[in-house]
Amino acid sequence: KAGVTQTPRYLIKTRGQQVTLSCSPISGHRSVSWYQQTPGQGLQFLFEYFSETQRNKGNFPGRFSGRQFSNSRSEMNVSTLELGDSALYLCASSSTGTGTEQYFGPGTRLTVT
Amino acid sequence: AQSVTQLGSHVSVSEGALVLLRCNYSSSVPPYLFWYVQYPNQGLQLLLKYTTGATLVKGINGFEAEFKKSETSFHLTKPSAHMSDAAEYFCAVSDPGGSNYKLTFGKGTLLTVNP
Repeated sequence: KAGVTQTPRYLIKTRGQQVTLSCSPISGHRSVSWYQQTPGQGLQFLFEYFSETQRNKGNFPGRFSGRQFSNSRSEMNVSTLELGDSALYLCASSSTGTGTEQYFGPGTRLTVT
Repeated sequence: AQSVTQLGSHVSVSEGALVLLRCNYSSSVPPYLFWYVQYPNQGLQLLLKYTTGATLVKGINGFEAEFKKSETSFHLTKPSAHMSDAAEYFCAVSDPGGSNYKLTFGKGTLLTVNP
């Protein structure tokens, strides 16, 4: 089975721009979660989607948004980029059921200049 | 809110020595517990998990962890370190009483293995 894929792997944007990141989950997984990883704050939960609905949301401003498509692929969007948005954005997918683990993609490294 | 504390942001061991990475969590209800490893420029890979049942959990690459409810701990061990174990390790919890798909991570422990 193919793992979680994320595109693009690297991205450089300018302050004020917006960006869209894409995540394709493992086949059959319907839950997709997004995390932001920075040296200062570590790994922080952004949001989780299941069957095209956002089920959980972390403590991030409204500039961070996401969506999920009927094939479970997910995108996250960050508008009005700030320097502090520079981070590794990780996507994870999981199957349904309690205690199931999340499988992570390689991440998208976003640099805001 | 849950929290996870990993004692020691950097642990250095010699090749062949015992690896012990510490993790404590705060939760009134025993959560589900996970250890992930991250190699440079890569995502996270699951090493092992505890949900219910046997408190000693064996994972990949010779790692194991023991859930101790009385100590709210889930320390990761490996009897003999290998050079390939050098990476960053993250302990994470999810709340079985809440969302199973939102993980709270510790700050991570960078493991260095010296020849």
